[in-house]
Amino acid sequence: SQQGEEDPQALSIQEGENATMNCSYKTSINNLQWYRQNSGRGLVHLILIRSNEREKHSGRLRVTLDTSKKSSSLLITASRAADTASYFCATDAGGSGGSNYKLTFGKGTLLTVNP
Amino acid sequence: DAEITQSPRHKITETGRQVTLACHQTWNHNNMFWYRQDLGHGLRLIHYSYGVQDTNKGEVSDGYSVSRSNTEDLPLTLESAASSQTSVYFCASTPWWDSQDYEQYFGPGTRLTVT
Repeated sequence: SQQGEEDPQALSIQEGENATMNCSYKTSINNLQWYRQNSGRGLVHLILIRSNEREKHSGRLRVTLDTSKKSSSLLITASRAADTASYFCATDAGGSGGSNYKLTFGKGTLLTVNP
Repeated sequence: DAEITQSPRHKITETGRQVTLACHQTWNHNNMFWYRQDLGHGLRLIHYSYGVQDTNKGEVSDGYSVSRSNTEDLPLTLESAASSQTSVYFCASTPWWDSQDYEQYFGPGTRLTVT
C-alpha cells in the first residue's frame, strides 16, 4: 500500500509562477523526502526533511512538514520550463533506533511548466 | 565518477521465461533496492539488501528474487515472467551511516515487456 499520496496528480502553470505540491501519509515517519523524475529517467533526490523539522529550504525549493496532520508540501518558486517533471514524496517510516533507509513512494504529481 | 547502472535498458521476453536484470553501483554503498514503476501505482518496493548475503522482501516480491554476493551488484530475477510483470524497473542505492540525512541514488531504469 502507498504511504504517501501526492496532490494534485497533475499541475500546469506558466513560467515564473510558483508550484505547490502536497503529500499526505499514513504512519509516523523518521523523515520525508522529495524526488524528481524527468520523463524516461531515474529519480533524483531533491530534499529531505526530518520528522522534528517544520520547514527546509534549498535554492528555489521550500518544503514544509506537519507531523500532526501527516502532511508535507513542496513549493517551487519562480518555476522554469526545465522544472517540468514528475515529483514524488517518499517516507522513511524508520525502525528501532532510527532510519531503516527503506522508502515508500507516493504516486507522484506531474508538473508542466509552460514557457 | 561513481555511478549506478542498469542493464539491459530495454528487454522483451516471453511469458514463462526466466529473466535477470542487472544493477551495478560503484559507490560501495551497503544498501540497495529494486522498485517497479507502473502508471497509477508510482514506485513500489520489490526487494532490498543491507549488505552482502542480506536480502529482504518488499511490498511486491512475489515472482521475484535477488541475491547479493558482493557490495556492487544486486541482480533481480523474474523466475517465470508473467505479463503482469511488464513494467519499468529501477535500482537504487544508499550508503549506510549513522545519520538521518541520506538520499537514494537511482539507476536509469530497465523497461521490461513480457509478451
